[in-house]
Amino acid sequence: SQTIHQWPATLVQPVGSPLSLECTVEGTSNPNLYWYRQAAGRGLQLLFYSVGIGQISSEVPQNLSASRPQDRQFILSSKKLLLSDSGFYLCAWNQGSGTEAFFGQGTRLTVV
Amino acid sequence: GQQLNQSPQSMFIQEGEDVSMNCTSSSIFNTWLWYKQDPGEGPVLLIALYKAGELTSNGRLTAQFGITRKDSFLNISASIPSDVGIYFCAGPDTTSGTYKYIFGTGTRLKVLA
Repeated sequence: SQTIHQWPATLVQPVGSPLSLECTVEGTSNPNLYWYRQAAGRGLQLLFYSVGIGQISSEVPQNLSASRPQDRQFILSSKKLLLSDSGFYLCAWNQGSGTEAFFGQGTRLTVV
Repeated sequence: GQQLNQSPQSMFIQEGEDVSMNCTSSSIFNTWLWYKQDPGEGPVLLIALYKAGELTSNGRLTAQFGITRKDSFLNISASIPSDVGIYFCAGPDTTSGTYKYIFGTGTRLKVLA
């Protein structure tokens, strides 16, 4: 069966520090991968998605970037965090267009 | 772009009551997905609908794909305290030619024991 792993679960980082969140999917190949951010009590905002290695689509201009160095690995990064980068970050995957998407457990990022 | 409107935004109900929430759009969707999110957790897929008119159950949950393909509803029967959470509807974006999903703003459910 397929599983998605996201880490770390929580992270507290100072303003101006770098960020690296990692997401991996097991049990499937060539998944579509997604990074979402969720502000407290709010909906899901799509940040990036990828349909293949090295292919990244950005949805909103921001202080973040994404990379997909391997088929089942998706990384969210920042060179210098801002206070406004705080939030709940979720990785998701699906297989093909129009199919169900499955989410990781999320990373709670607090920038102080 | 496509948007999904969920209602109600929040609801308080008594344990044992039935719950109904819906999701509407001005454009057509080919798939409807319903998720539940517990506090501090990622959304978990509850039900997926692929055909107009389809009615699907998952335990006490029942969801339907509207005939017009512009709406869907989710019902929860005999609610229990663990039904607390945020329920999201979602569907693949059919207008942009991409692999994006559109998510509703969520219905926050609180169950009073």
